[in-house]
Amino acid sequence: TQLLEQSPQFLSIQEGENLTVYCNSSSVFSSLQWYRQEPGEGPVLLVTVVTGGEVKKLKRLTFQFGDARKDSSLHITAAQPGDTGLYLCAGFHNKAAGNKLTFGGGTRVLVKP
Amino acid sequence: DARVTQTPRHKVTEMGQEVTMRCQPILGHNTVFWYRQTMMQGLELLAYFRNRAPLDDSGMPKDRFSAEMPDATLATLKIQPSEPRDSAVYFCASGWDRARDGYTFGSGTRLTVV
Repeated sequence: TQLLEQSPQFLSIQEGENLTVYCNSSSVFSSLQWYRQEPGEGPVLLVTVVTGGEVKKLKRLTFQFGDARKDSSLHITAAQPGDTGLYLCAGFHNKAAGNKLTFGGGTRVLVKP
Repeated sequence: DARVTQTPRHKVTEMGQEVTMRCQPILGHNTVFWYRQTMMQGLELLAYFRNRAPLDDSGMPKDRFSAEMPDATLATLKIQPSEPRDSAVYFCASGWDRARDGYTFGSGTRLTVV
């Protein structure tokens, strides 16, 4: 079982629609990151959230970190075909356990023109 | 832009053969991770190094896998002997050991063991 559960696993929408991806855990993370991965490439960092309740915006992408630092969401407004990819959340465990980065299972997003 | 370089990009090998994957982390980064990605398991952490010292390799099958950093510009992941279930994409990532900064991933080595 994944330490970080992402939902949904797959999302197919039309260009211009909105979407939300969720990342949930029973563990508390010192910080959480979102990555996007395209075919044949490694994941690329989108954002890091550190403070419980934090909201970060990156153009049409909005990231939230839960108050208890156990969950996060990614919301995309007016999705475009260029947003297609595999979205991964990744949590950092606390320093005592080493700064290990653990990934969720990913959400595959397809935005159709 | 600084990049993490992985070689080879693709490797097809027969079961039982030794496989060595190489990674050149970004100059100056002090932390290196090795991950394996499959459709079924997603991204699994195999090993990570800080300042070239192995900190955690609990995710790695010890009997056949080994990871080393002979110097600051090279990390290696070896599988000996390889098995079909090792077929996956192997990623190396480097960064600073700070949660805020994120990590830079290479493009991966796609390994197929037949």
